[in-house]
Amino acid sequence: DAGVTQSPTHLIKTRGQQVTLRCSPKSGHDTVSWYQQALGQGPQFIFQYYEEEERQRGNFPDRFSGHQFPNYSSELNVNALLLGDSALYLCASSLGSGLDNEQFFGPGTRLTVL
Amino acid sequence: QQPVQSPQAVILREGEDAVINCSSSKALYSVHWYRQKHGEAPVFLMILLKGGEQKGHDKISASFNEKKQQSSLYLTASQLSYSGTYFCGTEIPRSARQLTFGSGTQLTVLP
Repeated sequence: DAGVTQSPTHLIKTRGQQVTLRCSPKSGHDTVSWYQQALGQGPQFIFQYYEEEERQRGNFPDRFSGHQFPNYSSELNVNALLLGDSALYLCASSLGSGLDNEQFFGPGTRLTVL
Repeated sequence: QQPVQSPQAVILREGEDAVINCSSSKALYSVHWYRQKHGEAPVFLMILLKGGEQKGHDKISASFNEKKQQSSLYLTASQLSYSGTYFCGTEIPRSARQLTFGSGTQLTVLP
C-alpha cells in the first residue's frame, strides 16, 4: 500500500521564479492538504483540496495556488518566489468524509529560494 | 490561534517516562499528535476525538480534556527511537478539517 508521495525531493529556485510541487495521496484517500514548514517550526496550513476544489485556505497570499486532479493527486504552485518561501512543503492526505481526519504526510519537498 | 505546547524540550534516559502537553484557547473537535525526526516528514501517532474516541499508536497513550481544551501525550518506558520533535495539531469544529500545529516539543532519549 503506497503512502503519500511527493516530487521533487529538493528544488532550488531564484527570486521571482515560479515553482510547481506535486503530491499523490495515500491509496483510498480523496483529500489533500498542503503545509509549509519553516526550520524549527510546526507545519502551517496553506490550503486543502477535496473533490477538485479548494475547501479551506490558511493565511497565505494568492501567490500560492493549487489544483486537484480527478485521480486525487494535487499540485501546489507558487509564483513570484520570495526568499521567505524557502521551506519544507508537506502534503498530507486524508478521507474527506467520516468522523475522523487522520492525515498522513508525505516526505516533503525542500524548496530553497536564492 | 496556534496551540501551546509544553515543555519546549525534554531530555530523558532510556526507560524513563515523559508527558507532553498541548493547550488551545478554542473549543476543539480533535487533537492530532505527530512525531518528526530531523529531515523527515511528520509521522502520525494518535488522534483524539471529541467524545472520547481515540485511535493511534499502541505504545503511546494520550488524553483529551474537552472542558479545558487540553491534550497530553504519555510516553512510557521511552526508547531511543522515541527521540524527535512532537507536534500537536488541533482541529476546531466546522473548519473543514484544517489542522493548526503547535511549535513542537523536542524530545531526546539518551542511552
